[in-house]
Amino acid sequence: DTEVTQTPKHLVMGMTNKKSLKCEQHMGHRAMYWYKQKAKKPPELMFVYSYEKLSINESVPSRFSPECPNSSLLNLHLHALQPEDSALYLCASSEDRANGYTFGSGTRLTVV
Amino acid sequence: AQTVTQSQPEMSVQEAETVTLSCTYDTSENNYYLFWYKQPPSRQMILVIRQEAYKQQNATENRFSVNFQKAAKSFSLKISDSQLGDTAMYFCASSGYSTLTFGKGTMLLVSP
Repeated sequence: DTEVTQTPKHLVMGMTNKKSLKCEQHMGHRAMYWYKQKAKKPPELMFVYSYEKLSINESVPSRFSPECPNSSLLNLHLHALQPEDSALYLCASSEDRANGYTFGSGTRLTVV
Repeated sequence: AQTVTQSQPEMSVQEAETVTLSCTYDTSENNYYLFWYKQPPSRQMILVIRQEAYKQQNATENRFSVNFQKAAKSFSLKISDSQLGDTAMYFCASSGYSTLTFGKGTMLLVSP
């Protein structure tokens, strides 16, 4: 299995809702990442997990809460989001920095 | 710290022709890696080609090749025999000891 699987592919949520994004990989990669991407812009790093521990948090608002239950799973819990949080959320994993990252196909999030 | 610059926001090419996308970077690290990613409208980021900075030989993957000029900190992507399926956003990225740093991207449109 050489894929990163993200669910759901699309999500519409209200500003008072709580939802979660899920990411899964079975390549044995020990680093996993959450990115946020606006249209026609490069991905912006949000969080990095290394060996299931949060190693980088790029000053992301607390309404985004990451979780890494095990080495194959990465979740992003969402609560009280704002319309400007609408974006494509990408998950990625990597074995080492030499081989680049493997990305999932993303979750298109719309906050209404 | 690393920076990646892509100076061409958009480019167009006709099918079967050759096109070159430009990328320059800056890094204080001695050991780093460079990548080109493709993001078609289907939105998944796909690794196109990678280059190890300590290797002089330019990387090649089928119709895709790079011109890596280490002294000039330049890493351009050449696409030969362009196909309609090459239409996508192309991101140049560098990876040192920290995470991937992306350029702003070049939107490539291949027309019949």
